[in-house]
Formats: sequence, structure tokens, C-alpha cells
Amino acid sequence: AQSVTQLGSHVSVSEGALVLLRCNYSSSVPPYLFWYVQYPNQGLQLLLKYTSAATLVKGINGFEAEFKKSETSFHLTKPSAHMSDAAEYFCAVRPMNRDDKIIFGKGTRLHILP
Amino acid sequence: EADIYQTPRYLVIGTGKKITLECSQTMGHDKMYWYQQDPGMELHLIHYSYGVNSTEKGDLSSESTVSRIRTEHFPLTLESARPSHTSQYLCASSYSGAYNEQFFGPGTRLTVL
Repeated sequence: AQSVTQLGSHVSVSEGALVLLRCNYSSSVPPYLFWYVQYPNQGLQLLLKYTSAATLVKGINGFEAEFKKSETSFHLTKPSAHMSDAAEYFCAVRPMNRDDKIIFGKGTRLHILP
Repeated sequence: EADIYQTPRYLVIGTGKKITLECSQTMGHDKMYWYQQDPGMELHLIHYSYGVNSTEKGDLSSESTVSRIRTEHFPLTLESARPSHTSQYLCASSYSGAYNEQFFGPGTRLTVL
């Protein structure tokens, strides 16, 4: 069975500071991992995905995430927060060997302080 | 332009009415999904489809029904709306293959009075 845990339902950072959103997964087989962003009154948009090609994955809007198998983590980072980064962020997992449903985490709302 | 569309974006309706939420995609995706999401909350999968004439129930029990008569169209219907159906409904689509991400529509925010 697969599951995703996002630590912290709300995270606040100052503009210009490092953004770190945590995601840990549980999977019985090697997983594909995804980060999505959701702005108010909109659907989800893919930020980046891990497909085993490289452990450090770069995405849109300056975000990146590192797959760490030993820690079963896929944390999302951005070196310098911008006001426009304020949104809800979802981590998701799907096992590599099955075209099964994607399992989403509960989400982390990122607040940017001026 | 390839995209995924949902209509209406906002719907306010009285109890007992029948409603259909529309979802269409122009990307040629074979798989389509419906999620229910309360504001600021997690997503719950309520229906999905592997292709034409395929429909499956998701993890969250829902009184809604879906159909997939055409590849690009995946409407969701509530025969008799109730206040407990008030929520945001997100439609998504993807190619088959575990490494393929889902593409989401903008959502329909439904309010049942």
C-alpha cells in the first residue's frame, strides 16, 4: 500500500527566505513521486515529478525536490520565496510497476510574509 | 490548444435539483478522474475511467454518477442535489502509464442551498 505524509498543514516563510515543504512516502515498490501546486479557485498544476532518471528534480517556478530513498522523502525546496508562491502544495505517489491511482497527501498551505 | 475544461465554474442550486458538471479534455488522454475537495482540504477520488465505456468508483463514496461515451468527455451527474454535496469538484485526465502525471481542470465550485 502507498501513502504520503506532508509534515505541516501550514508553513510560513518570509519573502526571500528558503522554502522547504516536507513529504515522506510509504511504498512497497519503487514509486513515482509528484509535487503539485494549487492557487486559490484553480485546479492543480504539476510542479515536478520524479521518475527515477535523477534524484534531484528541477521543476517550474524555481522549485526543486530531491528523492532520498534511505529517508523515503521527497522534500520540495526553493532558495528564495516570492509572494506569488503563496498557494497549497500537494505531494503525490504512485507505484512504478502499476498504472494505479495517484495517492495525494493532505496538502501544505504556504504563506509568504512580507 | 490542448487543455482540460470544466463548466460551470460556479453553481448555486436548490436542494433536489438534478445537476451535471461538465468536463472535457482535448489532449487525447485515455484516463479521466473526478475528485471532490472541500476548501483548503485534501483531494478525494470519487470516480475514474480508463477509457470509453469504462467507469469505476473511487475511494470516497459518492451519490454522483459518471459516464464516458466519448474519449474527451466525462460528465458527472447528481440526480438530487443536497447541501452535503456542497464542495469543489475537480476533473483530471492523463495518459496511461504510471509515470504520467494528471492534468487538472479549473474546478467547479458547487453550492447547494
